[in-house]
Amino acid sequence: EAGVAQSPRYKIIEKRQSVAFWCNPISGHATLYWYQQILGQGPKLLIQFQNNGVVDDSQLPKDRFSAERLKGVDSTLKIQPAKLEDSAVYLCASKETGGEKLFFGSGTQLSVL
Amino acid sequence: SQQGEEDPQALSIQEGENATMNCSYKTSINNLQWYRQNSGRGLVHLILIRSNEREKHSGRLRVTLDTSKKSSSLLITASRAADTASYFCATFVVDYKLSFGAGTTVTVRA
Repeated sequence: EAGVAQSPRYKIIEKRQSVAFWCNPISGHATLYWYQQILGQGPKLLIQFQNNGVVDDSQLPKDRFSAERLKGVDSTLKIQPAKLEDSAVYLCASKETGGEKLFFGSGTQLSVL
Repeated sequence: SQQGEEDPQALSIQEGENATMNCSYKTSINNLQWYRQNSGRGLVHLILIRSNEREKHSGRLRVTLDTSKKSSSLLITASRAADTASYFCATFVVDYKLSFGAGTTVTVRA
């Protein structure tokens, strides 16, 4: 079974630039999550999708972050403009309907200079 | 704010020893899960314990849950070098929202 795919693996940008991350969840998983993990901390939920609808985006900084999940499959997370404090690993995870455990991708490590 | 807090923040043990880490959480839960994260990788689910369970085993892992104290512990027995990783507890606060603690970094010395 293929896992959660994320790209790119690493990204280095300058502040005020924009960046986008891509995630393809496990086939058939209706729930998709984006987490932000700052070095030394646990993952913090940014946004959760159920199919192509947003379930929770209460911790997404909407003035600079946006996410979409067109057609309820893969998803993109965008930051525009980036700030130094956005340097983190961005993790995508998926879960099947009725399931309780999350399956994570390897993440995208973002460095904002 | 994060729901769970792990203790200790870091742990260094000799190969073959046991490693114990604790997790405290704030609100009522449906279940509590433990995940492992190897350096530079995503998280991997280890074990889930439901709010009506007190103890659960999976291979060399033993998890306990005390809902009256809002705490859980993860024991890894007979540790190996491959167990070197960060361990996170995560709680399902509502049906869909999984909230993670800050993690315990475990180093197993050969």
